Amino acid sequence: EIVMTQSPATLSVSPGERATLSCRASQSVNRKLAWYQQKPGQAPTLLIYGASTRATGVPVRFSGSGSGTEFTLTINSLQSEDFAVYYCQQYDNWPPITFGQGTRLEI
Amino acid sequence: QVQLDQWGAGQLKPSETLSLTCGVSGGFFTGYYWSWIRQTPGKGLEWIAEINHSGNTNYNPSLKSRVTISIDTSENQFSLKLRSMNAADTGVYYCARGQETRDFWGQGTQVTVSS
Repeated sequence: EIVMTQSPATLSVSPGERATLSCRASQSVNRKLAWYQQKPGQAPTLLIYGASTRATGVPVRFSGSGSGTEFTLTINSLQSEDFAVYYCQQYDNWPPITFGQGTRLEI
Repeated sequence: QVQLDQWGAGQLKPSETLSLTCGVSGGFFTGYYWSWIRQTPGKGLEWIAEINHSGNTNYNPSLKSRVTISIDTSENQFSLKLRSMNAADTGVYYCARGQETRDFWGQGTQVTVSS
């Protein structure tokens, strides 16, 4: 199975600043990469799929990039509601689809 | 708006079988795959299995021997059974829509395995 590794584990950023989160795959997943946001006590919500396509209703300050084994989620002008845990997920080689261990974005 | 509501017993003893059901409303039931995903302290987010309206299934190889996923298209529901539960299976279990990505999720069920 493909192992997804996210870094850093925790990222501390101030509101209004930019956050850059990384995700690495143990082998190429082409652009079959999704990002999810999870807030405490809630299910994950889909942010990005196809490495760079925003899901319905996702603000434009969220952007994804990358291909192959290296991917980035960038959040510009951080808002208070953006502080959460972010997960990447590959769907190029499955079953099983696999998730990263998450990056906690904190103030 | 698509809504997934899940239910089932959340307190189990070792060796018991977990049974969860997810009801879908507000959208088409056919034409999609429906998944179970769990979040445990040990492994984080872990995909368990998926099924479509025709009964086609895919399972996580690591859990396949203990898992059964089923579907009831007349009720717009799908279900999960996970046998021989142990402490490592403790976590939050989610149902979700989609095969490659999951765009709608249930509210989650806390499942605790303890004697």
